[in-house]
Formats: sequence, C-alpha cells, structure tokens
Amino acid sequence: DTAVSQTPKYLVTQMGNDKSIKCEQNLGHDTMYWYKQDSKKFLKIMFSYNNKELIINETVPNRFSPKSPDKAHLNLHINSLELGDSAVYFCASRYTSGGFNEQFFGPGTRLTVL
Amino acid sequence: AQSVTQLDSQVPVFEEAPVELRCNYSSSVSVYLFWYVQYPNQGLQLLLKYLSGSTLVKGINGFEAEFNKSQTSFHLRKPSVHISDTAEYFCAVGSIQGAQKLVFGQGTRLTINP
Repeated sequence: DTAVSQTPKYLVTQMGNDKSIKCEQNLGHDTMYWYKQDSKKFLKIMFSYNNKELIINETVPNRFSPKSPDKAHLNLHINSLELGDSAVYFCASRYTSGGFNEQFFGPGTRLTVL
Repeated sequence: AQSVTQLDSQVPVFEEAPVELRCNYSSSVSVYLFWYVQYPNQGLQLLLKYLSGSTLVKGINGFEAEFNKSQTSFHLRKPSVHISDTAEYFCAVGSIQGAQKLVFGQGTRLTINP
C-alpha cells in the first residue's frame, strides 16, 4: 500500500565506497524527485525526472548519478562517498498533467558515511 | 530564483495555546506556497497549499495559513495545539511554470509542552 517507498531505510558505509538508494512509487505519477536533508534539517532538491527524462539537475557533485529505468522508479547512485554526503535523502513524486499536483514524499533514507 | 525564510528555528508553546509559525518568501516569478510537516523519523506530509483565490487556506489537523502578497508572507497558524503537533514544519515555494521544484525554508521545530 505504500505510495512512495525507498530502500534501504538506513545505510551506513565507509568513505570511498559506492552505494545506491532506490525509490519506487505506485501512484502512477510521471515525475520523480530526489531531495537531500542535511544535519540541520535543510531540504534541497537534487534531481528530477519526468517520464525517464532528466528535467532538474541542481548543482550536485557528479559523484551523484540518478537513473530512472521507468517512470515508477528513480534510483540514486553515489560514487566515492564522502563524510559530507551523510544526510537523509528523500524521494518524491507527482503527476504533471491537469494543473497543480502535490508532491508525495517517501519515508527517507538515512545515509551515514564513516 | 526563489528563496524562503522561516523566521523562527524553534517555537516552544504550551498545549492548547495558539501558535504562529512565520514564513517569508522571495521570488521573481509567480509561485505556489506550501507548508509541510515532518514528524520524527518520517517523511514530509503536506499540511496545506496556496494556489490562487482566497488568501486564507485551511489544511489538515486544524492548521491554516494566510497568504499576504504585499508582505510576501505565508504564516501558519493553529488556534489550539496538541502534544501530537510536535514536529518540524517546513514552508516551501514552487514555481507555477516548469518542473515545480520545491524550495524549502530552514524549518521550524514546534515543541508542545504539557
């Protein structure tokens, strides 16, 4: 029944490793987002895909690479993890047609880099 | 470009007291305005939104907000809070055109004391 789900919920890893976070939505939405929430709770958009096409690409290190295999999935791969990557990463989705549609957020993935 | 300023990082209030969480925004284009709530260890949930029309909008859990265009503000209010309202509250703006990326304020931690 979960509308926007993320895996894993928690991820603890060493500096220098490569890791992926996955997001899936079963709402039939066609646009998905990745947001980063830092230790001070500040939320900032990273990427957005619409129908598998990248439409928002904020100033994010190129160690971060989003991938959307289909419009229900948006994954985030991070290479060479750094201490500063520790944060909670939220996925969100929405439907773009018919005017305004709210974004629905997933529960978040807490990434800790040691 | 848009920016959002939440004027209070923390607001402690007693149960059943009224509360106001302040939000000011800046934008060179027309925007939608939102308040999201984040309960501990959870994702974001939409409380209410302003798209157009009446400047007073009502949301879930007894919250309401008033859009003031001249003061570029969108303050959140509740006449009587409950312990269960303890959470982090985020004000956000989203551009009407384009990909509707959300720009968030820094968050306000609302703590309800018995």
